[in-house]
Order: sequence, then structure tokens, then C-alpha cells
Amino acid sequence: AQTVTQSQPEMSVQEAETVTLSCTYDTSESDYYLFWYKQPPSRQMILVIRQEAYKQQNATENRFSVNFQKAAKSFSLKISDSQLGDAAMYFCAYRMANFGNEKLTFGTGTRLTIIP
Amino acid sequence: ETGVTQSPTHLIKTRGQQVTLRCSSQSGHNTVSWYQQALGQGPQFIFQYYREEENGRGNFPPRFSGLQFPNYSSELNVNALELDDSALYLCASNRGPGAETEAFFGQGTRLTVV
Repeated sequence: AQTVTQSQPEMSVQEAETVTLSCTYDTSESDYYLFWYKQPPSRQMILVIRQEAYKQQNATENRFSVNFQKAAKSFSLKISDSQLGDAAMYFCAYRMANFGNEKLTFGTGTRLTIIP
Repeated sequence: ETGVTQSPTHLIKTRGQQVTLRCSSQSGHNTVSWYQQALGQGPQFIFQYYREEENGRGNFPPRFSGLQFPNYSSELNVNALELDDSALYLCASNRGPGAETEAFFGQGTRLTVV
């Protein structure tokens, strides 16, 4: 079974600084997808960024980027120029790449606080 | 706005009762998944429906059941409620199935069992 581990229950960062959230996962599959989701107090899960395991290039979305280390099964999220609106729970998630399987396996989350 | 809506937003039930939660998928989406998120935890996959049929299930007992309707809206039913069923229940829809589809989530239903 696949597992996702987030070892940082809480993180804080000064506004405009950079912060990195860690995630490790365990799988025997060679093809899969990894995601970072943001859950603000409104409770709605919002996709931040996704990474396809077959791509060597790390995904980037504006201020958000990932460091994907497939051999180490590590998938960290870097947030640059942190903004107050980035404060939320962040969840790392895994999904197999086989057709028809939309199941996401989530980690336990990291609560990110932005210090003004 | 993702377009996935869930109702009700909050609900209080008594142990042993039954509850039905509802989800309206985003337009054009034919796959829906349900997740249970206990306080301080990540969401746990309950099951998935594609074109009105269940085609994937997590480690949840049979008293958790679902339906998907021809318009792709969905229901989650929980019978014989237990205190541990208290959680946020999230619905997600996809265009899928397919490797390139993205899940869009609703705002969830907060269920409290007393």
C-alpha cells in the first residue's frame, strides 16, 4: 500500500521569505502522480501543484515549485515570497497513474503560518 | 470557483442514526470520490463512482454507501452512526477517469455525531 508522510506538523515563515515543506512517500509503482494541496479555513482543497513521476523536470507554478527526488521518494514544496494568503494547511498527496483510479492518498498535513 | 457544491455544510446527528450527504459535481465531470477527514488528519479515501457505478473503495465498512445519479451528482450514506464518524466529509469530482484529470473539491460537510 502507498503511504505519504509529512513530518512537519507546523511551519512558520516571515512574509516575503521562502519556506520549504517536506513530504516523503512509499510506493512500489514506477509511474504515479504527486500533488500539493492547500486547505485554507474555508475547508476547500485547492490544488497548488502537480508532478508526474515520469518527468525529470521539477514542476513550477509562479511562486510555488517542487523538488522531486524519485529515487529518494521525496517531494518537497518551496514557496517563495510568502504572502499572508498562503497561510493554510498543506497536504501532500499521491495517486497511481493507472486508468480509472482517481484515489488520492494524503499525508497528515503541515500547518503553515505567515508572520507579518 | 471549482463548481463542486456540497450540502449541508454542517450537521449534527445522534449515535445510531443514519445520514445522507450530497454532492453536486462540476459541470462535465462524470467521476466523483468521497473522503473522510478527521480532525487534524489528512483526508481518507472512502470510495469512487464512475458513471453511476462504484469502481474503487477504501478501508471503510459497508455501512458507508453511496450513489451517483445520471446527472453525476452523488450521495454518501452512513448508517448506524458512531462517534468516530464525526469528521469533515469531502467530495471531489473529475472529468475522468484518466491520468491527466484533476480532482476538484467541494467545501465539505462537517458531521458531528453525539
